[in-house]
Amino acid sequence: QKEVEQDPGPLSVPEGAIVSLNCTYSNSAFQYFMWYRQYSRKGPELLMYTYSSGNKEDGRFTAQVDKSSKYISLFIRDSQPSDSATYLCASNTGGFKTIFGAGTRLFVKA
Amino acid sequence: EPEVTQTPSHQVTQMGQEVILRCVPISNHLYFYWYRQILGQKVEFLVSFYNNEISEKSEIFDDQFSVERPDGSNFTLKIRSTKLEDSAMYFCASSGGTSGRGRTVNEQFFGPGTRLTVL
Repeated sequence: QKEVEQDPGPLSVPEGAIVSLNCTYSNSAFQYFMWYRQYSRKGPELLMYTYSSGNKEDGRFTAQVDKSSKYISLFIRDSQPSDSATYLCASNTGGFKTIFGAGTRLFVKA
Repeated sequence: EPEVTQTPSHQVTQMGQEVILRCVPISNHLYFYWYRQILGQKVEFLVSFYNNEISEKSEIFDDQFSVERPDGSNFTLKIRSTKLEDSAMYFCASSGGTSGRGRTVNEQFFGPGTRLTVL
């Protein structure tokens, strides 16, 4: 079983839509959860970082972690064409090794 | 805003040759990492480095790989004898600063990557 699983998409939405991106994980020891955005042939860009269960909001982005169901979500409000990218969820146990999901490709149509 | 930088952006090498990929982490960060991403695949952890020694490594990071912090600013990844399957994007990351971005170990900031092509 893969440690972090993510639907690769692609997910296509109209501009202004609310986007929901999701991941599941299998390792109960994961404590830290991150969302990265990656544009084509670029490095991952850290968007959100959360510890344990709960919600965190930053502008148009909200990250949600439910440790009881091992479910990680990222919501993007008022999506823009510039949000078109691959979104990577990632987790670690508090050590150094971060495990990434395969990424979901998002297209926001103008 | 401080960023992780990497050189070169693209490296082409012949199979069996040695390559050194270079990174300049964010200046007040204490933890350094190398990841790789084979085209179309997920980002994979290779190694982490703290206090001038390897703190954790993956099964990918075998004897052909080594890392070094030769001075106060650079962090390098050496591949001794490249194989075709080493072709990938290699990303450097850093975290664990005393202030500013990436104050915790887990807030890892990535560089733009070096595309390594092994022929």
